[in-house]
Amino acid sequence: TQLLEQSPQFLSIQEGENLTVYCNSSSVFSSLQWYRQEPGEGPVLLVTVVTGGEVKKLKRLTFQFGDARKDSSLHITAAQPGDTGLYLCAGVGGADGLTFGKGTHLIIQP
Amino acid sequence: NAGVTQTPKFQVLKTGQSMTLQCAQDMNHEYMSWYRQDPGMGLRLIHYSVGAGITDQGEVPNGYNVSRSTTEDFPLRLLSAAPSQTSVYFCASSYKGGYGYTFGSGTRLTVV
Repeated sequence: TQLLEQSPQFLSIQEGENLTVYCNSSSVFSSLQWYRQEPGEGPVLLVTVVTGGEVKKLKRLTFQFGDARKDSSLHITAAQPGDTGLYLCAGVGGADGLTFGKGTHLIIQP
Repeated sequence: NAGVTQTPKFQVLKTGQSMTLQCAQDMNHEYMSWYRQDPGMGLRLIHYSVGAGITDQGEVPNGYNVSRSTTEDFPLRLLSAAPSQTSVYFCASSYKGGYGYTFGSGTRLTVV
């Protein structure tokens, strides 16, 4: 069973600060996806990273896929209260759906 | 565009009862899957399908059945509900493997 470890599990910071969320595994994934989930809703896809070493930017969010395709990070610059939510990384190993990390609960205080 | 539609949104069952959670997508996606989300456990794969007529088990399949007679629909059946099946259930679909998934808004199930 492939496992994904996310850290930190909880993070509460002030508006305007920067933060990084990590997603690590001992297994290689063909690609890795990041989702954001708000209370009472399903996860919403933010990005898919496919190539080892790949960096993708989505406004103030920067996603990186490790060279060995075993780890990824999400960096948020100048966090805003609207960034509050549960951030989930998910590994794609094959046809059998996604392997999710347990998530990072992020709270951005005004 | 409806995306992925799950019904019902909330359900309370008594132990031993059976029920079907409905999931429908209108994006002509081949891949569909069911997950359960529990506090501290994250999202865990129950069953998945890579096309009509093809289903397979995920990480936690016991107590659940699925079928995929059409591309659009992927119902999840609870055969004999148990309190351990109290959870939030999400259905998701994808164009194909490696592409991002679109999730429904979930069904919150309580088994008493």
